[in-house]
Amino acid sequence: AQSVSQHNHHVILSEAASLELGCNYSYGGTVNLFWYVQYPGQHLQLLLKYFSGDPLVKGIKGFEAEFIKSKFSFNLSKPSVQWSDTAEYFCAVNEAVGDMRFGAGTRLTVKP
Amino acid sequence: DAGVIQSPRHEVTEMGQEVTLRCKPISGHNSLFWYRQTMMRGLELLIYFNNNVPIDDSGMPEDRFSAKMPNASFSTLKIQPSEPRDSAVYFCASSPRTSHTEAFFGQGTRLTVV
Repeated sequence: AQSVSQHNHHVILSEAASLELGCNYSYGGTVNLFWYVQYPGQHLQLLLKYFSGDPLVKGIKGFEAEFIKSKFSFNLSKPSVQWSDTAEYFCAVNEAVGDMRFGAGTRLTVKP
Repeated sequence: DAGVIQSPRHEVTEMGQEVTLRCKPISGHNSLFWYRQTMMRGLELLIYFNNNVPIDDSGMPEDRFSAKMPNASFSTLKIQPSEPRDSAVYFCASSPRTSHTEAFFGQGTRLTVV
């Protein structure tokens, strides 16, 4: 079964700083890739997803992610974070015909 | 559509009691997932169903946990007997299982076992 690794457990940034969150997965076959966000006290919501085509994916709220197949990576970025981006971010992977596995999550704190 | 509906939203129970968590997936979705979220372990996949059939239950922690999906619109996760270490937020998610689709999450059930 595939596994998902998120490199940072907790990231603290000031407003307007740039963000990059790392995600690597172990599965070598065809995968679908996702980033979810969980705001405090809420459920997980989809930020963006990649299935095929352009490896640079744009999501909601100014987030982007780049799929690099050779590195098995799907890193999330945002050029300028806001206080309202404070949340936990989860990378997820599923096979074309499999279940969805999540990384451990990265908690982002944005200081005003 | 109302989305994935979980009940109850909060549950407080005493150790040793039976707990049943409920989930109604989005109509038309034929995959259903149960996850457990804790500070220590993050988001863990417990079990997932496809067309009401359990496909992978390797994440179910022990025999005290059981899950059923008697029909396409309802699933339960049962813990019997419950223990304090079962305290967590339990999420249900569903997916249409066509290619290239994400999972949609419910609001979760916060379980506290005292």
